Amino acid sequence: AQTVTQSQPEMSVQEAETVTLSCTYDTSESDYYLFWYKQPPSRQMILVIRQEAYKQQNATENRFSVNFQKAAKSFSLKISDSQLGDAAMYFCAYRRVSGGTSYGKLTFGQGTILTVHP
Amino acid sequence: EAEVAQSPRYKITEKSQAVAFWCDPISGHATLYWYRQILGQGPELLVQFQDESVVDDSQLPKDRFSAERLKGVDSTLKIQPAELGDSAMYLCASSLQGANSPLHFGNGTRLTVT
Repeated sequence: AQTVTQSQPEMSVQEAETVTLSCTYDTSESDYYLFWYKQPPSRQMILVIRQEAYKQQNATENRFSVNFQKAAKSFSLKISDSQLGDAAMYFCAYRRVSGGTSYGKLTFGQGTILTVHP
Repeated sequence: EAEVAQSPRYKITEKSQAVAFWCDPISGHATLYWYRQILGQGPELLVQFQDESVVDDSQLPKDRFSAERLKGVDSTLKIQPAELGDSAMYLCASSLQGANSPLHFGNGTRLTVT
């Protein structure tokens, strides 16, 4: 079974600074997707960024970028120019590409609470 | 932008009572998921539907939980009888078919069992 581990329960950053959230995962699959989701307090979970395992190029979405190290099974999220609105719980998630009946489900890590200080 | 609708937003129930949650996915999304999220933890899949069929309910406590998606559109998750340990956020999500299609989540139902 696939597992996702986020070893940082909490992180904090000053507004306008850069912060990196860590994620490692365990899988025997060669092809899969990785995601970062953001969950603000009392609000819905929204997708921040996704990475296809077969792509070597790291994904980027505006101020959000990832460092995907397939051999190390590491998938970190970098938030540049942090804003107050970035404060939330961030979840790393894994998804199989094919095979079996549960390919579609996301397996989530435990989450990292990000605090942004003005 | 289309959203996943869930109701109720909050539910308080007594132990041993029955409780039900409703989810209406984004139109055209064939895949629907129910997740349970205990406070401070990541969501865990309870059940996954493809159209009206269950494709994964391996983590659903079937002695007390049931889920249905009769017409392949909206879905209901039921707990009977509720236990104190069921207190959590219940999230519904939907997606198009395909592993590269992102999940879209609803606002969730926060259940408190007293």
